[in-house]
Amino acid sequence: AQTVTQSQPEMSVQEAETVTLSCTYDTSESDYYLFWYKQPPSRQMILVIRQEAYKQQNATENRFSVNFQKAAKSFSLKISDSQLGDAAMYFCATANRDDKIIFGKGTRLHILP
Amino acid sequence: DTAVSQTPKYLVTQMGNDKSIKCEQNLGHDTMYWYKQDSKKFLKIMFSYNNKELIINETVPNRFSPKSPDKAHLNLHINSLELGDSAVYFCASSPAGSTRGNTIYFGEGSWLTVV
Repeated sequence: AQTVTQSQPEMSVQEAETVTLSCTYDTSESDYYLFWYKQPPSRQMILVIRQEAYKQQNATENRFSVNFQKAAKSFSLKISDSQLGDAAMYFCATANRDDKIIFGKGTRLHILP
Repeated sequence: DTAVSQTPKYLVTQMGNDKSIKCEQNLGHDTMYWYKQDSKKFLKIMFSYNNKELIINETVPNRFSPKSPDKAHLNLHINSLELGDSAVYFCASSPAGSTRGNTIYFGEGSWLTVV
C-alpha cells in the first residue's frame, strides 16, 4: 500500500527566508507522480508543484522547488524568499496507475513578519 | 469562471437526516473524485468516477452514495447522517486520471457539520 509521511506537523520561517518541508513516501510502483498541494485558510486546495518519478531533474515553479531523491523515496519542498501569502497547510501526495492520490497529513507553515 | 464548483459550501444538519452535496466541473475532464478532510486535516479519497463509471470506492460506509448523471457531475448523497460525518468534503476532477501527469483540480470544499 502507498503511504505518504510528513514528519513536521508545523513549521515557522521568517519572511524572506528559505524553508524546506519534508516528505517521504512508500510505493511499490515504478511509474508514479508526486505533488505538493497548498491549502490556505480559504480551504481551497491549490497545486504548488508536481514531479514525474521517471524524471531525474527536480521540478521548479518560481520560488518553489523540490528535492526528489527517488532511491530514498524522499520528496521535499523548498520555498525561497518566503512571503506572508505562503502561510498555509502543505500536503505532499503521490499518485500511481490505480488513479488514487494519497495525501500526507500535512505541514502547517507559519510565516513570521 | 469556477472550474470545479460544489454546493452547498456550508451545511449544518441534524443526525439522522439525509443530505446531498452537488459537484460540477466545466473543464471537460473525464475523471471526478470525492475526498473527505477530517478535523485533523487528513485528506482521504472516497470515490473516483471515470466517464460516469465508478473506478475507486474506498472503505466508505454505504450510507455514502455517489451519483454521476453525466461526466461533468458527481453528486454525493449521504443517508442517516452521523456526528462522525462532520468534515469538509472536496470534489475534484482531472483530465484522464492523475497518473498521466495531469493536474487534479479541487473544488472549494463543502463544510458539513452534523449536530
